[in-house]
Amino acid sequence: DAGVIQSPRHEVTEMGQEVTLRCKPISGHNSLFWYRQTMMRGLELLIYFNNNVPIDDSGMPEDRFSAKMPNASFSTLKIQPSEPRDSAVYFCASSSQGIFSNQPQHFGDGTRLSIL
Amino acid sequence: DAKTTQPNSMESNEEEPVHLPCNHSTISGTDYIHWYRQLPSQGPEYVIHGLTSNVNNRMASLAIAEDRKSSTLILHRATLRDAAVYYCILAAGGTSYGKLTFGQGTILTVHP
Repeated sequence: DAGVIQSPRHEVTEMGQEVTLRCKPISGHNSLFWYRQTMMRGLELLIYFNNNVPIDDSGMPEDRFSAKMPNASFSTLKIQPSEPRDSAVYFCASSSQGIFSNQPQHFGDGTRLSIL
Repeated sequence: DAKTTQPNSMESNEEEPVHLPCNHSTISGTDYIHWYRQLPSQGPEYVIHGLTSNVNNRMASLAIAEDRKSSTLILHRATLRDAAVYYCILAAGGTSYGKLTFGQGTILTVHP
C-alpha cells in the first residue's frame, strides 16, 4: 500500500517567492496533519483537518501560511511570501480519526525547504 | 496539553533489551500514551500506544504504571536499525481528533 506521499522532497527558493507543498494522504484516511520540524523548535503541529475541514490551525505561525484540503486525497500548504526563517522540514501525516478515536498517524517522508 | 518527561539520550548494545522511560505525572483520565520514533532523515513512525493496560505488538511492548503517571517502552532485542529518536506523547481523548504534541524525545544509540 502506498503511504503518505509528499512533494516535492526538496525545495530551494529565494526569499519572497511563493512556496506550495503538496500531500496525498493514505486512501481511506479522514484526518490530515501538517507539521514543521526545525532544530530549534522540534516537531510542531501547524494545522489539521478532519473530513477535509480544518479543525485547528492555532499552530500556523502567521498569515503568510495557509493550508487547504479541497478533497479527501489532496492537501496543500502554501507560504507567501516565504522568508529564510521558514526553512525547515515539513511533514504531512494522515490517520483514520473520529472525534473520540485515537488511531496512529502515518507520516510522509517530508519536504526539506530552504529559503535563501 | 499534558507534558511528558524523557531522558535526553540512552545507549544500548545490539541484541540486548532496551527500556525507554517516560514520566507523565499530569496525565488525565482520557489521555492515550503514544510512542513514535524518528530515524535519521525520515518522518516519525508509529510504534505503539495504550490507555491503561500493557500493550504488545510486533515492534515493541508498552508497560503502563498502575497510576498511569509513567510508562516504559520496551524493545526486546535492539538492532542497529532501532537507533532513532523516541517520542513519548500524550494524545488527548475527547474532542481532539488524536492531536499529538511532540517533545524533544530520547535519542537512542545502539552499539554493535
